[in-house]
Amino acid sequence: DGGITQSPKYLFRKEGQNVTLSCEQNLNHDAMYWYRQDPGQGLRLIYYSQIVNDFQKGDIAEGYSVSREKKESFPLTVTSAQKNPTAFYLCASSALGEKLFFGSGTQLSVL
Amino acid sequence: QKEVEQDPGPLSVPEGAIVSLNCTYSNSAFQYFMWYRQYSRKGPELLMYTYSSGNKEDGRFTAQVDKSSKYISLFIRDSQPSDSATYLCASGEGNNRLAFGKGNQVVVIP
Repeated sequence: DGGITQSPKYLFRKEGQNVTLSCEQNLNHDAMYWYRQDPGQGLRLIYYSQIVNDFQKGDIAEGYSVSREKKESFPLTVTSAQKNPTAFYLCASSALGEKLFFGSGTQLSVL
Repeated sequence: QKEVEQDPGPLSVPEGAIVSLNCTYSNSAFQYFMWYRQYSRKGPELLMYTYSSGNKEDGRFTAQVDKSSKYISLFIRDSQPSDSATYLCASGEGNNRLAFGKGNQVVVIP
């Protein structure tokens, strides 16, 4: 069953804590992306990667980090430097130059 | 100015009506245009994808792009309660830097 799997569905972060959101795809897509969605704000690009071991900052990369050690996986770490992390996080993937497909999202909240 | 503007105001229509959604974009270099449907707390799903001016139909859905006025539209004919969702427009030069509108919440009343 091909698709993009995000986990966990819900995540809670304590003050000063780093948390990691998982994103795995079995679509053989080269490109992967992380977006943040806030109510009334639309989707904003955090990071993207077009090839293994390479990634670029998006529009709101501060306070976030990523890695791309495998083609299938693109985890996002929300660091303690991100002062307003509560949001719905969406991972997406695409073949290069092709349509974007999204995972089901992770809701991150601050305790 | 945001690259893609979409009036986020909620839209309520009776079942069977035509839903009309619109976006404008500012970057003349944009050549990819998409509409996504997003149910509450779910990931967006791609509805329509085009890279040229004109109309594209898929069942009850029609996407319209006017590059001369930088205008993107989505029409839903014979709307159903299951069409109740948020609709996002998106555009870009390439998929790695898509710009998204804020989304329109649509409610179809039975």
